[in-house]
Amino acid sequence: SAVISQKPSRDICQRGTSLTIQCQVDSQVTMMFWYRQQPGQSLTLIATANQGSEATYESGFVIDKFPISRPNLTFSTLTVSNMSPEDSSIYLCSVASGSYQETQYFGPGTRLLVL
Amino acid sequence: QKEVEQDPGPLSVPEGAIVSLNCTYSNSAFQYFMWYRQYSRKGPELLMYTYSSGNKEDGRFTAQVDKSSKYISLFIRDSQPSDSATYLCAMIGTSGSRLTFGEGTQLTVNP
Repeated sequence: SAVISQKPSRDICQRGTSLTIQCQVDSQVTMMFWYRQQPGQSLTLIATANQGSEATYESGFVIDKFPISRPNLTFSTLTVSNMSPEDSSIYLCSVASGSYQETQYFGPGTRLLVL
Repeated sequence: QKEVEQDPGPLSVPEGAIVSLNCTYSNSAFQYFMWYRQYSRKGPELLMYTYSSGNKEDGRFTAQVDKSSKYISLFIRDSQPSDSATYLCAMIGTSGSRLTFGEGTQLTVNP
């Protein structure tokens, strides 16, 4: 399994500002994923990030709000832009293995509170 | 209707009990079935995964998949207080579709 780290582990931000979350993996991976987990709820996929191409966003998530970078095979960033209290959540990155990306390993998450 | 249904609990059991956690799903294209454990303030940790129907055992944990009923289960034998966590089922097809999660069941094992 991969070892995944995220920075920051938590943050408190003001409305209207932006926060960039970093995700580092200890091995090279093709696909990285960004999820949001709102309090008491399950995980919702925001986007899939492949190295060397634009991220693919799920319905309800747009690049202007959640720009993603994937500069190499071990690193990705997610920016939460122009934040509002509704963006308060846990943001998780993950990597996958298997022919169909069926096994995913998650980072520890970034807990974001927007005031 | 959600693609994956999971009773959120909470579920509280005494130490040593057998725990049964379940999910139902509607998408017959799902082929891989996973169980994740998530401790408070941590990311989800992959516990077990099963391909298609059948049983898989790993220590005190047994995963069962019944594709005919679109029903999956996770059994925990001799439950321990350290098993207290939220358990999420997840599943995916073979067409490169995204991993779909259940809501998670919050489990507390009381000493």
